[in-house]
Amino acid sequence: GAVVSQHPSRVICKSGTSVKIECRSLDFQATTMFWYRQFPKQSLMLMATSNEGSKATYEQGVEKDKFLINHASLTLSTLTVTSAHPEDSSFYICSASQGGWTEAFFGQGTRLTVV
Amino acid sequence: ILNVEQSPQSLHVQEGDSTNFTCSFPSSNFYALHWYRWETAKSPEALFVMTLNGDEKKKGRISATLNTKEGYSYLYIKGSQPEDSATYLCASINYNQAGTALIFGKGTTLSVSS
Repeated sequence: GAVVSQHPSRVICKSGTSVKIECRSLDFQATTMFWYRQFPKQSLMLMATSNEGSKATYEQGVEKDKFLINHASLTLSTLTVTSAHPEDSSFYICSASQGGWTEAFFGQGTRLTVV
Repeated sequence: ILNVEQSPQSLHVQEGDSTNFTCSFPSSNFYALHWYRWETAKSPEALFVMTLNGDEKKKGRISATLNTKEGYSYLYIKGSQPEDSATYLCASINYNQAGTALIFGKGTTLSVSS
């Protein structure tokens, strides 16, 4: 299957700093990319959907100014957690698809710890 | 508000048992249903993409059916093996005002004992 690379896999940052997570589709053009967050013992919660060249569509309850999403090319989307706080500590994972009904391919996920 | 429900939440079976899980999804404005398999320490991987009412897909010992009119899908595993232990996620894609929305269920965690 197609490969999606997510980086970094783990990051520890100080409270108040910003962290950028990258999601790259390595062998296909990702028209649509999704960003998810997983809380402990829960499933994936969709945070936002981004289409290349357009502003991301955020799910209800997700702060746009805190979780900045950029999808500037068909192979790269970034999630920036701004002014991180301990409650932002979580597992973040991206997926990418060629759009429509096609399957999504997932990155490896990023474990963010804010201290 | 779109909601995708999966049951049971967790399941423990013995090697060789056959089992099945349920995914309930909104039938209105339906576009597609995905099944994913998520093993510990790995990324979720797509098992099936289903779009048509009555669809049946099969991959080895795993198969899935789709009923778009009533909004449910079943995933079957025949002769479960320990390597089948994973969380199985379904995701529904439905049309909305913004285009389409992909919503995951909470998953069914399967544990197979040898």
